[in-house]
Amino acid sequence: GQQVMQIPQYQHVQEGEDFTTYCNSSTTLSNIQWYKQRPGGHPVFLIQLVKSGEVKKQKRLTFQFGEAKKNSSLHITATQTTDVGTYFCAGHGGSNYKLTFGKGTLLTVNP
Amino acid sequence: NAGVTQTPKFQVLKTGQSMTLQCAQDMNHEYMSWYRQDPGMGLRLIHYSVGAGITDQGEVPNGYNVSRSTTEDFPLRLLSAAPSQTSVYFCASSPDGNYGYTFGSGTRLTVV
Repeated sequence: GQQVMQIPQYQHVQEGEDFTTYCNSSTTLSNIQWYKQRPGGHPVFLIQLVKSGEVKKQKRLTFQFGEAKKNSSLHITATQTTDVGTYFCAGHGGSNYKLTFGKGTLLTVNP
Repeated sequence: NAGVTQTPKFQVLKTGQSMTLQCAQDMNHEYMSWYRQDPGMGLRLIHYSVGAGITDQGEVPNGYNVSRSTTEDFPLRLLSAAPSQTSVYFCASSPDGNYGYTFGSGTRLTVV
């Protein structure tokens, strides 16, 4: 079945440093979504990318979808303590009704 | 709008007991799904529904049943609880299953 792999598993940064998490799928994706989960909370939808090579920005967050639609990345510029949490990518492959999640990257920020 | 509401928030079961986790959404979303989250395993799809009367299996369906009699509700039934079902369960909905999902706050289940 479809697999979505995410690296790194953990990332600890000093406040103000940049952060990037990478997502790779075993199959071509129709779209990819990104979610953030605060400690003890539930996943919250951040953004969806659909087009090959697409780049979207949300303030300090930059999301990219690869040309082959099999990989994606999330980059945070100048991290803040409010960025702490686990960031998940999730993709739709052959079936639009099964959203497969990566295992997530836990970001901790030292103030 | 309340979004996606899950009850209960916490539950402790004994091995072999059955129970139903409730999920309701008020956004008129056609698509609803159940995920379980375990440490180091991410979110795994249990069952999903693309509309009232239609359900299908996800990645880890064994030991769970679902039904969708209305657009709003999508309960998850544990038939005979096992310690391996100790997990955090999330219900999620989406307008059509393709766009961003709205998650409930989760049910933390412990089976002893």
